[in-house]
Amino acid sequence: NAGVTQTPKFRILKIGQSMTLQCTQDMNHNYMYWYRQDPGMGLKLIYYSVGAGITDKGEVPNGYNVSRSTTEDFPLRLELAAPSQTSVYFCASSYSTSQETQYFGPGTRLLVL
Amino acid sequence: QKEVEQNSGPLSVPEGAIASLNCTYSDRVSQSFFWYRQYSGKSPELIMSIYSNGDKEDGRFTAQLNKASQYVSLLIRDSQPSDSATYLCAVNDPGTGNQFYFGTGTSLTVIP
Repeated sequence: NAGVTQTPKFRILKIGQSMTLQCTQDMNHNYMYWYRQDPGMGLKLIYYSVGAGITDKGEVPNGYNVSRSTTEDFPLRLELAAPSQTSVYFCASSYSTSQETQYFGPGTRLLVL
Repeated sequence: QKEVEQNSGPLSVPEGAIASLNCTYSDRVSQSFFWYRQYSGKSPELIMSIYSNGDKEDGRFTAQLNKASQYVSLLIRDSQPSDSATYLCAVNDPGTGNQFYFGTGTSLTVIP
């Protein structure tokens, strides 16, 4: 199993550009999550999904959109990139029960200039 | 808003010593508690999970949970330089998609 994979690893965007961060998991997890991590900070939840076709906002959703058309994929869309979106983005997935850990992808480092 | 508090450190211990990492949380509803290790530039990886009051041991790691005091800790015995990393405490919210709330992490340096 590859686990959780993310692409790209690193990207530089200009202010106002858009992009999609890709996330795929092959563990048949129902739950998937997008986090951002700023330097010296913990992880902040952007969006999450409890299954295909179901998404919900986390703590910091502004400026982002998501979709979940399949169990495996959970892309994160940035529209009109801003310098405040410079961060490291992690995708994670888990089984449905509360005692299950979340498994993280390797992250995407995004720089908005 | 659920709060998870950790001492940011940095915490430095000599090789072979015990490192003690602490975490408090605000929500009594939380049922599951996790410690993740994050090396610089890498993603978090699970070290320990604990669900019941008391101690849980796994090799050199011991997690301690006190739900009445809303406190969870991680002890690392016989600390090694490879343990140098940031340790993130996470608590779950079982009512909303098993959301996790993370502390800001404690930076640990083990000095050879």
